[in-house]
Amino acid sequence: EAGVTQFPSHSVIEKGQTVTLRCDPISGHDNLYWYRRVMGKEIKFLLHFVKESKQDESGMPNNRFLAERTGGTYSTLKVQPAELEDSGVYFCASSLQESTEAFFGQGTRLTVV
Amino acid sequence: GESVGLHLPTLSVQEGDNSIINCAYSNSASDYFIWYKQESGKGPQFIIDIRSNMDKRQGQRVTVLLNKTVKHLSLQIAATQPGDSAVYFCAAPDPSGGYNKLIFGAGTRLAVHP
Repeated sequence: EAGVTQFPSHSVIEKGQTVTLRCDPISGHDNLYWYRRVMGKEIKFLLHFVKESKQDESGMPNNRFLAERTGGTYSTLKVQPAELEDSGVYFCASSLQESTEAFFGQGTRLTVV
Repeated sequence: GESVGLHLPTLSVQEGDNSIINCAYSNSASDYFIWYKQESGKGPQFIIDIRSNMDKRQGQRVTVLLNKTVKHLSLQIAATQPGDSAVYFCAAPDPSGGYNKLIFGAGTRLAVHP
């Protein structure tokens, strides 16, 4: 069974550009989470989808970040326009239920220059 | 705000020795804790968890100890192997959110030397 996969694995963009990260959860997992680790600091929660609905987006840093999960399958996280402080590793995770173990993808390393 | 943090950023051990990684938390209401292992180029991987009604839980070569009095938990790895080299995170559910709305510590890098 395929795990959580994220695309791309690395992205280098210039400040002011737009980047879209993609996450494909484990098939059948209704719950999808985005986290990020910035500047070697703690991994921090961004948001939680249940199917296509945003259950909790309290961790989204500002309105430059937009997450979508149309159809309740894969999810995208768009950063527009990107700023230097957005550099870090963005992780996606999925779980079958809200109260079961979440499995993480390998992450997308975003570098804004 | 709530925090789950680690005492040491880097731990170097000899192969075969035991490793102990520590973590402190601030919310006395936290009742569930998880240890994750993150290898280079991979995402965090679940190792072991513990609920607050326990003070010790053992897995294969790993043991987690929980001291609720001082709000501290540790991960012990027996007979550390080169494959154990990774960054280890403790985590706990955010009291304001669901089970998988996790607060992570900063991470401890474990380096195993032959």
